Amino acid sequence: DVKVTQSSRYLVKRTGEKVFLECVQDMDHENMFWYRQDPGLGLRLIYFSYDVKMKEKGDIPEGYSVSREKKERFSLILESASTNQTSMYLCASITFSTGYEPQHFGDGTRLSIL
Amino acid sequence: GQQVMQIPQYQHVQEGEDFTTYCNSSTTLSNIQWYKQRPGGHPVFLIQLVKSGEVKKQKRLTFQFGEAKKNSSLHITATQTTDVGTYFCAGEASGTYKYIFGTGTRLKVLA
Repeated sequence: DVKVTQSSRYLVKRTGEKVFLECVQDMDHENMFWYRQDPGLGLRLIYFSYDVKMKEKGDIPEGYSVSREKKERFSLILESASTNQTSMYLCASITFSTGYEPQHFGDGTRLSIL
Repeated sequence: GQQVMQIPQYQHVQEGEDFTTYCNSSTTLSNIQWYKQRPGGHPVFLIQLVKSGEVKKQKRLTFQFGEAKKNSSLHITATQTTDVGTYFCAGEASGTYKYIFGTGTRLKVLA
C-alpha cells in the first residue's frame, strides 16, 4: 500500500514565521501535490511537482513556495505566515506511468496561524 | 482557468433514501475521479472514469461520466449511516497532470 506521510498532524505558528510542511511518499511516484482544504471551498491546488526539482503553480500559489530535492519528499513553505493561511493542508502523490491511477493522500496538517 | 462545480453543497437524507451529487467542469476532461472523505479523515479514492458515457457500479454506488466528458454524477441507492462523509469529484484536463477538485457534497444520513 502507498504510504504518504505528513510530518505534523497539528501545527500552531505565529504571524510572520517561516513555516515548513513536509510530505514523504514511499511508492516512487513522480507526481506530488499540495492542497489546502477550507470549508465550502473543497480542495484547492497550491503547487505540484512532476519530477525532482520541477514545480508548477496550482490555482492559489501566492504566499507559498515548494521544494522537491528528492523524489520521495515534497515540502511546502510559507515564507511569512499570515492568519489567512490557517487551514488544513493535504499532500498527495500519484503516478501517471501506468495509466490513470488514484491520488494517495496523507492524513493532513491542520495549521493555525496566530 | 479550469473550474469544477459540484452540487449540492449539503444533503441530508433519511436512511434508505437515495442520494445524488453532480459535477460539472468548464473544460473537457481526460478522466474524472471520485473521492470520499469521512469526518476527520483524508480523501479516499473511490473510482475513476475515463471513457465518454462510461457507467461504473460499486455495490450501491453508481458513477457516470457524461458523453461530452464535462460532467459526472455519483448516485447512492438506499443510503446507510456508513455513507456519511463528503464526496468530491476531481477532474484532469488532458495533459495537465493535475486534478481540479469540486467543492464537495457533504452527506448526512439520519437513522
